[in-house]
Amino acid sequence: AQKITQTQPGMFVQEKEAVTLDCTYDTSDPSYGLFWYKQPSSGEMIFLIYQGSYDQQNATEGRYSLNFQKARKSANLVISASQLGDSAMYFCAMREGIYGGSQGNLIFGKGTKLSVKP
Amino acid sequence: DTGVSQNPRHKITKRGQNVTFRCDPISEHNRLYWYRQTLGQGPEFLTYFQNEAQLEKSRLLSDRFSAERPKGSFSTLEIQRTEQGDSAMYLCASSLSGGQSTDTQYFGPGTRLTVL
Repeated sequence: AQKITQTQPGMFVQEKEAVTLDCTYDTSDPSYGLFWYKQPSSGEMIFLIYQGSYDQQNATEGRYSLNFQKARKSANLVISASQLGDSAMYFCAMREGIYGGSQGNLIFGKGTKLSVKP
Repeated sequence: DTGVSQNPRHKITKRGQNVTFRCDPISEHNRLYWYRQTLGQGPEFLTYFQNEAQLEKSRLLSDRFSAERPKGSFSTLEIQRTEQGDSAMYLCASSLSGGQSTDTQYFGPGTRLTVL
């Protein structure tokens, strides 16, 4: 069965430092996609970064990078040079059947609350 | 603003009343999704549409819930005879599927429902 595990309920990081948020997943489908979303206190889910299961390179988007270790089934989010505005909940999510025949829905983890200290 | 919009943003209702939420997706997106998020949890899938067809429904979507997307554009989610357990944030998302698309889902701001 599909499952996303985020083992860090909360994390603290000093402003301007890098932080890694952990995500492990479970699926029997060889074709899947992994997503990270940010949810500030306002409630809106903001898409950050995507990694496909067949992508050879780790995804990067500005200060965000995804450390994809397929054999370990992990997809950790790395935020470099943390800013105060990065304080939020971060959710890892997965969708199976990413290449054709996708069922569509995302499975989310429980999230990690990141707090950036000045 | 060309993002996903949802109305209302907040809804307070009494147990047993019916409520309806609206979602307007990004205009060129053919897929539209509804999720429910309770406190301390990640969003849980409810249902999704490809154009006007409702393709999948979660077991969370009881008979009291109904969703429509009549013209393949906006969607409504109705909850009949609300219960206190329905109190949650209801999130709508849209995506563009097909071809080389990653089918990334973009979310609206959500509707927070409180059932008294």
